[in-house]
Amino acid sequence: GQQVMQIPQYQHVQEGEDFTTYCNSSTTLSNIQWYKQRPGGHPVFLIQLVKSGEVKKQKRLTFQFGEAKKNSSLHITATQTTDVGTYFCAGCPYTGFQKLVFGTGTRLLVSP
Amino acid sequence: DTAVSQTPKYLVTQMGNDKSIKCEQNLGHDTMYWYKQDSKKFLKIMFSYNNKELIINETVPNRFSPKSPDKAHLNLHINSLELGDSAVYFCASSSFLQGRGGYTFGSGTRLTVV
Repeated sequence: GQQVMQIPQYQHVQEGEDFTTYCNSSTTLSNIQWYKQRPGGHPVFLIQLVKSGEVKKQKRLTFQFGEAKKNSSLHITATQTTDVGTYFCAGCPYTGFQKLVFGTGTRLLVSP
Repeated sequence: DTAVSQTPKYLVTQMGNDKSIKCEQNLGHDTMYWYKQDSKKFLKIMFSYNNKELIINETVPNRFSPKSPDKAHLNLHINSLELGDSAVYFCASSSFLQGRGGYTFGSGTRLTVV
């Protein structure tokens, strides 16, 4: 079945440093979504990318969708302590119904 | 108003018991989901309903039975609970007609089987 892997599994940075998580799918995706889950919380939708090579920005967050629509990345510039949490990519394959397959997640810890 | 609400938030029960988790959304979405998050934080889809019709049924033990009385509600009943069922169960909803919107998740139900 479809697999979506993320690296790294865990990253600990100092506040102000940059952070990047990478997402790779075993199959081509119709779109990719990113979610953030704070400790003890639930996944919260951040953004969706649909087009090959698409790049979107949300303040300090930059999201990219690969040309082959099989990989994606999330880059955070100048991390803040509020960025702490687990970041999940989630891919939607080309099937008749939406079936979002979540990546393995990257846990980000930011020290002040 | 909470967009996707789940009850209960915590559930501690003994092996062999039967329990239910309820979910309701007030977003007008037509598709609802159950996801299971294990201790390693992996999020795995279990079921999905679109307008009360089951459209996704992953490899889940048949002790798990979802039910959608209407498109705003999706419940999950679990029979003969086992230790391995301990996890956080998330309900989510989305608009299938919108096609590509994000999912809205409930706050989760932490199930502990002892």
